[in-house]
Amino acid sequence: AQTVTQSQPEMSVQEAETVTLSCTYDTSESDYYLFWYKQPPSRQMILVIRQEAYKQQNATENRFSVNFQKAAKSFSLKISDSQLGDAAMYFCAYSPTSGSRLTFGEGTQLTVNP
Amino acid sequence: DTGVSQNPRHKITKRGQNVTFRCDPISEHNRLYWYRQTLGQGPEFLTYFQNEAQLEKSRLLSDRFSAERPKGSFSTLEIQRTEQGDSAMYLCASSPYPTSGGDNEQFFGPGTRLTVL
Repeated sequence: AQTVTQSQPEMSVQEAETVTLSCTYDTSESDYYLFWYKQPPSRQMILVIRQEAYKQQNATENRFSVNFQKAAKSFSLKISDSQLGDAAMYFCAYSPTSGSRLTFGEGTQLTVNP
Repeated sequence: DTGVSQNPRHKITKRGQNVTFRCDPISEHNRLYWYRQTLGQGPEFLTYFQNEAQLEKSRLLSDRFSAERPKGSFSTLEIQRTEQGDSAMYLCASSPYPTSGGDNEQFFGPGTRLTVL
């Protein structure tokens, strides 16, 4: 079974600084999808960024980028120029095929200090 | 496009009662998913539909749980004979499938918080 592990229950960062959230996963598949979701205090989950395993290039979305290391089964999220609105719970998630179930990690609570 | 909606937003019930939640997906989204999230944890997959067909059910979905999507639009999740361990946030998501882009983002609703006393 696929598993997703986030080893950092809490992280904090100063406003305008950079922070990296870690995620590792376990799968025997060669092709799959990885995601980072953000869940603000209102609790509605929002997609931050996605990565397709067959693409070697790391995905980027504005201030958000990933470091995808397929051999190491690692998928970290870097947030640059952190803003107060980035404060939320961040979940790493895995999907074996397009449109199928998501397996989530335990989450990392990010605090942004002014 | 009003997003995924869920009703009710909060439900308090007594142990042993039956409860039903409703999810309205984004219109024309073929796939609809149910997840359960307990406090401080990541969501856990329960089941998902493509149109009316229930494609997969998690082993977490005991016999007390049933989900339907009768007309391929809204879905209901029913829990019979609720137990205190059923207390959680129940999240619904929808996605368009298939699309030419390959990957399909799941759009989440605000959830229904269930408290079983």
